[in-house]
Amino acid sequence: DTAVSQTPKYLVTQMGNDKSIKCEQNLGHDTMYWYKQDSKKFLKIMFSYNNKELIINETVPNRFSPKSPDKAHLNLHINSLELGDSAVYFCASSQATRGVSPLHFGNGTRLTVT
Amino acid sequence: SQQGEEDPQALSIQEGENATMNCSYKTSINNLQWYRQNSGRGLVHLILIRSNEREKHSGRLRVTLDTSKKSSSLLITASRAADTASYFCATEPNQAGTALIFGKGTTLSVSS
Repeated sequence: DTAVSQTPKYLVTQMGNDKSIKCEQNLGHDTMYWYKQDSKKFLKIMFSYNNKELIINETVPNRFSPKSPDKAHLNLHINSLELGDSAVYFCASSQATRGVSPLHFGNGTRLTVT
Repeated sequence: SQQGEEDPQALSIQEGENATMNCSYKTSINNLQWYRQNSGRGLVHLILIRSNEREKHSGRLRVTLDTSKKSSSLLITASRAADTASYFCATEPNQAGTALIFGKGTTLSVSS
């Protein structure tokens, strides 16, 4: 019973390609997130959606486009991939946007751009 | 800007010893949370402490928060090999419209 699941787990692709990562949560949470973890394990927020609406959009290149078809899904599409996009991308969800609402993370998608 | 900074970056101890990790942050917060990340896995929430709390316990975990010093510590008592992981503090800023901000983490190695 995976609470937050991401696919694929590994993604190897060449520069210039377009790729998508899918995320689904079965916790009934209203808020979902995308975080990026670099090679030094630094974790940075990219986007946050609450009930399908974008509420946080950090300084992320517009090559990254999140899409939330419903509140249980938050996908990430990346256009024109660059070497610097190589990282581990984590999807997470929480019951509420703020307050005492811990995040539940998926197991990550390791993206390697060659 | 990055909110949390953990110290030390890496910690190696023997089973049965206690492990203490520290976290410092820069701005006013609503709460501070600690997460664990096992190799190749996602982060798992451990414990949350509100800004008006000073200490909290959960099993072998003890968290303290000093808002005047903008710092927190996580103590794991009687450590086990299974505690080997990276530990991250995350702060929820007072500012609306912001998500949790994570520090760079402390890598803990517990040898048997």
